[in-house]
This record gives sequence, structure tokens and C-alpha cells, in this order.
Amino acid sequence: GAGVSQSPRYKVTKRGQDVALRCDPISGHVSLYWYRQALGQGPEFLTYFNYEAQQDKSGLPNDRFSAERPEGSISTLTIQRTEQRDSAMYRCASSLAAYGLAALEQYFGPGTRLTVT
Amino acid sequence: EDKVVQSPLSLVVHEGDTVTLNCSYEVTNFRSLLWYKQEKKAPTFLFMLTSSGIEKKSGRLSSILDKKELFSILNITATQTGDSAVYLCAGGNAGGTSYGKLTFGQGTILTVHP
Repeated sequence: GAGVSQSPRYKVTKRGQDVALRCDPISGHVSLYWYRQALGQGPEFLTYFNYEAQQDKSGLPNDRFSAERPEGSISTLTIQRTEQRDSAMYRCASSLAAYGLAALEQYFGPGTRLTVT
Repeated sequence: EDKVVQSPLSLVVHEGDTVTLNCSYEVTNFRSLLWYKQEKKAPTFLFMLTSSGIEKKSGRLSSILDKKELFSILNITATQTGDSAVYLCAGGNAGGTSYGKLTFGQGTILTVHP
């Protein structure tokens, strides 16, 4: 595709519900990254995939958060039993390569604004 | 813990002014420094800097990295209202299992008045 796409763009959910956020990376991009961005802050790393392999999940806040990329393309970030503190912008990025400078040149999607009431 | 700090946090200027945005970093296995411009949607990539002292330039924007002082600046000359945005810098990790992880600063909010 032309760029990274994410859906839904906005999600309002009640506390305790599960949510699934989707990311469709740039076609041909090997690596996919999830970040969370609070208002007035820069994006904060959550997890990343090299093809379908989850290489680093050190940024996931707790075990309610999980992510998958089963076929090495589209990825889903799932938050179980949502809490109000989970409210934030969730951004996805992709890069052409898994290693080298190309891995660091990341292109971001528009994000999903999650509000937990 | 990796850390990136930007200054100033916000800046208000008039069209035609020149601005300098600052970014200092402490990143494990540092490999590159990236600058992004964030408007209403996705952060858009501006520059990637890997070597000290070599200026990267794109139109009215330029940036340089100092790996000894762990510092980068982004300059915007002859600012326009369209330059109003949040400017983010990020340090790129190129080691171990955290390969590819970007650590972002909190951003500088630039407002350019006509």
C-alpha cells in the first residue's frame, strides 16, 4: 500500500472490555513496530516483529497486552480487560529491513485513538 | 534506561524567523538519530543522522549530529506557517534483541504566526 494504515482510527470502549487494534504495514516491509503515545509525549516503544517473529516485547506494560503478526504482514495489538490508564494513541510503524540502518528508518501510521470510559 | 530529551518544549515565532530545536540522547547501542515532523496524523520522517559533523539538508530544514556530546540540532530557516507542528527526535538502538527500537523525546511544539 501507499503507507501504513491502522484501524479503527478511533475506539471508545468501556472498562473491562477487550479491544483489538489492527496495523497494515507498507507492502514489502519486513519489520513492524507498535508504539503508544500519550498526549504531549513522544511515542513509547511497545513491541516489534521481524516478519512473523516477535523479537522484542519488553515495552508491553503488562500481560493484558499482546500482539501477533501471524503471516508476517498485518499485525493485531490486543488489550484485554481494558483500564482507563490504557487510553492513548496507539501507533504502528514499519521498516524495510530487520537489520541495518533501514531497520531504524520507520514509517508511521495515523494511529488508533483509544478511549476507555 | 534509554533517554531522549528535547528543548525547548514549545516555541512561538513569526514567519521568516529561524529556529533551532535541540535533542540530547542517551541510548544503548546507539546507531542513529532520527527527526520526525508530527502534524495531525502520522509522524513523517525528516532525517536520519548517523555520522558526527555531517549536515543533512532538505530545503529550509537542516540537521547535524554530535556523537561526542550526544546531541543533535534541527534548524529551520525562513519559517512558514506550514512548519507549525510537533518535532520529534528519536535515538535508534542497533544492538541485541532491541534492534530497531526507537526512543523518542517528548517533542518540541513549534507555532509559526503569520
